Parts: sequence; structure tokens; C-alpha cells
Amino acid sequence: KAGVTQTPRYLIKTRGQQVTLSCSPISGHRSVSWYQQTPGQGLQFLFEYFSETQRNKGNFPGRFSGRQFSNSRSEMNVSTLELGDSALYLCASSPLGDYNEQFFGPGTRLTVL
Amino acid sequence: AQSVAQPEDQVNVAEGNPLTVKCTYSVSGNPYLFWYVQYPNRGLQFLLKYITGDNLVKGSYGFEAEFNKSQTSFHLKKPSALVSDSALYFCAVRVYTGAGANNLFFGTGTRLTVIP
Repeated sequence: KAGVTQTPRYLIKTRGQQVTLSCSPISGHRSVSWYQQTPGQGLQFLFEYFSETQRNKGNFPGRFSGRQFSNSRSEMNVSTLELGDSALYLCASSPLGDYNEQFFGPGTRLTVL
Repeated sequence: AQSVAQPEDQVNVAEGNPLTVKCTYSVSGNPYLFWYVQYPNRGLQFLLKYITGDNLVKGSYGFEAEFNKSQTSFHLKKPSALVSDSALYFCAVRVYTGAGANNLFFGTGTRLTVIP
């Protein structure tokens, strides 16, 4: 099976712009989660989608949003970018079931100038 | 509150020696515990998990972890370290938040360096 794919891999934006990141989960996985990784804050949970519904949300401002499509592909959007949004954004998918591990994509490296 | 602690930012070990990367947790209820590894410019790779059953869990690349309920620990171990094991290791706990929702809380990571 193909792994989790994320596009683009690298992105450079300026403050105030908005950005959309895309994630394609492993075939058959219906749960998609997003995480932000920074040197200072480590790995932090953004949100989880399942069957096109947001099931859970981390402690991030409303500028961070996401959605999931009927084919389980997911996008996350960050509006009004700030310098502190520079990070590696990781997407993870998992099959149905609480015991299953999450499979991570390679991430999108976002740099805000 | 749910939390995971990795008390060591950096662990150095000589090639061929046993390695241990420490993790302690604090959760309400039964913990679902995971170890992931991250290589430079890569996403996280799953190593192993503890859900229930035997306290010693075996995973990928010769790694294993021991769940200790009384010490609330889930240390990652390998009998003989390889230079290729050098990477960033994350311990994580799954928190079930109801209505089928779940997410992972990660520790701060431990950088393992295996010295040739």
C-alpha cells in the first residue's frame, strides 16, 4: 500500500497570507489527524477528522482549520499567517479502531517570512 | 490531565551496547502507549505499541519496550545499538476523549546518538 502523502513538501509564505496543505491517507484509512511540530513546542495535535467530520480539536486559534473529503483526503488551512506558524505540519492516518497506530506522512515544511 | 514525559533530551550510546530511552506517563484510565522514531526531514515511523497483555512489547528494527504500571513507565530498549538507530524518538499516549475521538499526546522527544 502507498503511504500517507502530503503536498507540498515545502512552502514559503509571508505574514498575512493564507496557506492550504493537503494530505492523502493510506487507502482504507478513514481517520486523518494533523499535528504541528516546532523545536520549541514539540509535536502538538491540531485536529482529527473522521468520515468528513471533525471529531477532535487541539488548542489552536481559529486561524487553523481543516476539512475532509468523501475520499478521506484532508486539507488544512491557515489564514493570516504569523511568523510563529513556521513549522513542520504532519498528517497521520489510521484505520478504524481505538487501538490502531497512526501512520504519518513526510510532512509539509512551512516557512513564514 | 494527560501527559507524557521523556526526561532525557539526548542519549548517547556506543555501537553494540544496549540502549534505553525513557518515558513516563500520566493518564486517567488505561493508557494506550506508542513509540515513534523520526529520521531527519522525515515523518514519524511507528515502532511499537502497548494496548494490553504482556508487559514486554516487541516492535520493529529489534526494539522492545516494557510497560510498568506501578512506575507508570514505558521505556524503549534495544539489546545492541546500531549507528543507523541514531534518530529522534518520541513516546506518545493515546487519549480517548469520547464520541470515538482520539488523539496522541507526544513527549518532547529524545535524540539518540549511537557512536561508532
